[in-house]
Amino acid sequence: GEDVEQSLFLSVREGDSSVINCTYTDSSSTYLYWYKQEPGAGLQLLTYIFSNMDMKQDQRLTVLLNKKDKHLSLRIADTQTGDSAIYFCAEILPRLSGYALNFGKGTSLLVTP
Amino acid sequence: DTAVSQTPKYLVTQMGNDKSIKCEQNLGHDTMYWYKQDSKKFLKIMFSYNNKELIINETVPNRFSPKSPDKAHLNLHINSLELGDSAVYFCASSQGVPPREFFGPGTRLTVL
Repeated sequence: GEDVEQSLFLSVREGDSSVINCTYTDSSSTYLYWYKQEPGAGLQLLTYIFSNMDMKQDQRLTVLLNKKDKHLSLRIADTQTGDSAIYFCAEILPRLSGYALNFGKGTSLLVTP
Repeated sequence: DTAVSQTPKYLVTQMGNDKSIKCEQNLGHDTMYWYKQDSKKFLKIMFSYNNKELIINETVPNRFSPKSPDKAHLNLHINSLELGDSAVYFCASSQGVPPREFFGPGTRLTVL
């Protein structure tokens, strides 16, 4: 299948905003997701957005969706050192029964003091 | 209370051996998954079960055989292990719309 594209690394200073970008493959994906993976841990769902929305805000997180360009972004306001992790975007791909999540390769976010 | 648990956390074995990884979820979800994360952190779905029935098999070699004894458990058995099977294997479960997957902590498999 096609790849969901993300930049591999992002480094920001504590207190700044972080913006992680993603280009997905299927324009008919109904839901798009952001997951966070801390070292040695499983994936934690951060937020998701329905495809008929342009924006979703959840505390320090803002998701922007541009369906025309198949572009998804995650903005983290007031980034903290505890936000250092790998961030994955994912799209839903329907199957004959059920669905599968197609993940990007992940963006490693490093937050420096 | 752990929502999705996996055992073992680490598994080191020789090429050619057969091994199993177990997964249990206490969320009451109907759907469970196995994902493989390679050394470059690329995450790919392997299998999905809904109410003990296999619904997705993403062209995984038939050395990999999932088994779901009940809807709270999904185990992964791997025969004739190969070096390329070394990876972190994640179990996940979900229910409802939108589907939100909850992941286990992962099992790091190393094949020597």
